Amino acid sequence: AQSVTQPDIHITVSEGASLELRCNYSYGATPYLFWYVQSPGQGLQLLLKYFSGDTLVQGIKGFEAEFKRSQSSFNLRKPSVHWSDAAEYFCAVAKGGNTPLVFGKGTRLSVIA
Amino acid sequence: GAVVSQHPSWVICKSGTSVKIECRSLDFQATTMFWYRQFPKQSLMLMATSNEGSKATYEQGVEKDKFLINHASLTLSTLTVTSAHPEDSSFYICSAMLDRTPYGYTFGSGTRLTVV
Repeated sequence: AQSVTQPDIHITVSEGASLELRCNYSYGATPYLFWYVQSPGQGLQLLLKYFSGDTLVQGIKGFEAEFKRSQSSFNLRKPSVHWSDAAEYFCAVAKGGNTPLVFGKGTRLSVIA
Repeated sequence: GAVVSQHPSWVICKSGTSVKIECRSLDFQATTMFWYRQFPKQSLMLMATSNEGSKATYEQGVEKDKFLINHASLTLSTLTVTSAHPEDSSFYICSAMLDRTPYGYTFGSGTRLTVV
């Protein structure tokens, strides 16, 4: 079964600083990869997704992620963090077809002035 | 775009009562829906996969008699928490698939259930 690991439970960055959230997956083939953001008490918002093609994926809100097959990673990056980016971030993987998403445990991002 | 409407957004119920949560695909037909549960400050755990016109497939450890899932139409799936107890208090989120492809994972806004 596929699994997703987000090694960092909580990250704090200064506003304007760069950000990288780590995500590693375990799956035999190339999975479908996603990053979601969740504000407290809210649903999930899709930031970006990767299925195939260019390994650098651009998403909303200035986020991007890079798929690295050799490292089984799909790290999320943002060059300059805004205070409004403070939220919980989830990496997710799917096998494709009619299968559900499997989520990592999430990384909570705090942004300080 | 594909929109999933989930209701209610929050509900408080007494122990022993049942609560129904609805998940509707507003502008597309969802042959498959997924139900997740999220405890505070934790990840989303898949509870069950709901396919239109057939019985839901539950994940290991999820009580199918407590969490009744019905997917009677291509636009509606319901989760009923029966004989609710305080430990059932959680955030429940549904997700619908569009055209059986991962392009179409759309999530509802979630339901906060509090059992008192």
